Amino acid sequence: DAGITQSPRHKVTETGTPVTLRCHQTENHRYMYWYRQDPGHGLRLIHYSYGVKDTDKGEVSDGYSVSRSKTEDFLLTLESATSSQTSVYFCAISERGKDGYTFGSGTRLTVV
Amino acid sequence: AQSVSQHNHHVILSEAASLELGCNYSYGGTVNLFWYVQYPGQHLQLLLKYFSGDPLVKGIKGFEAEFIKSKFSFNLRKPSVQWSDTAEYFCAVNAVNNAGKSTFGDGTTLTVKP
Repeated sequence: DAGITQSPRHKVTETGTPVTLRCHQTENHRYMYWYRQDPGHGLRLIHYSYGVKDTDKGEVSDGYSVSRSKTEDFLLTLESATSSQTSVYFCAISERGKDGYTFGSGTRLTVV
Repeated sequence: AQSVSQHNHHVILSEAASLELGCNYSYGGTVNLFWYVQYPGQHLQLLLKYFSGDPLVKGIKGFEAEFIKSKFSFNLRKPSVQWSDTAEYFCAVNAVNNAGKSTFGDGTTLTVKP
């Protein structure tokens, strides 16, 4: 779906370094989410946003922070990357809760 | 808190066989329900959704799902699978008026043999 893009698509980083992942949407949707996908765990919510500057934690938020200064951008920062944060990260957008999500293509992050 | 359970981790079928994937959720209030599909190497895509009305919902690619409130279930079905249906399938639930935060099941990998 062209309305949501994630960058970078792949990243390898060293333990202890900060990393920022970007999610950009052109749909003007209110809600944005960051999930991580790990084998056997499905998708787990890290943080979400319900408007500009309005964010909240999900179930696996430790070690992550987010910011949303514009409707279209939602940034996920790993403050000091650890090997347990090696994962595939998906951003999703939604106009209303009952609509379901449109997902980005994902970022594969490897922490070495 | 809500939770989702998908009973089958891996299902293997031959082409033209019928498919049913189980999904049960745990939540005491009103929910919206979803099935997503993830083809190999791709992101998740919405297959179908239920939020009110007819409990039998139809989605893309010939898939359908039935919401049975008394059983807290939302099983996915397809009468005749194709090789191209090989993918991972995720059931998800969110509580109404809760910012759309969805909880996902662990996924079911479907392999269709030609």
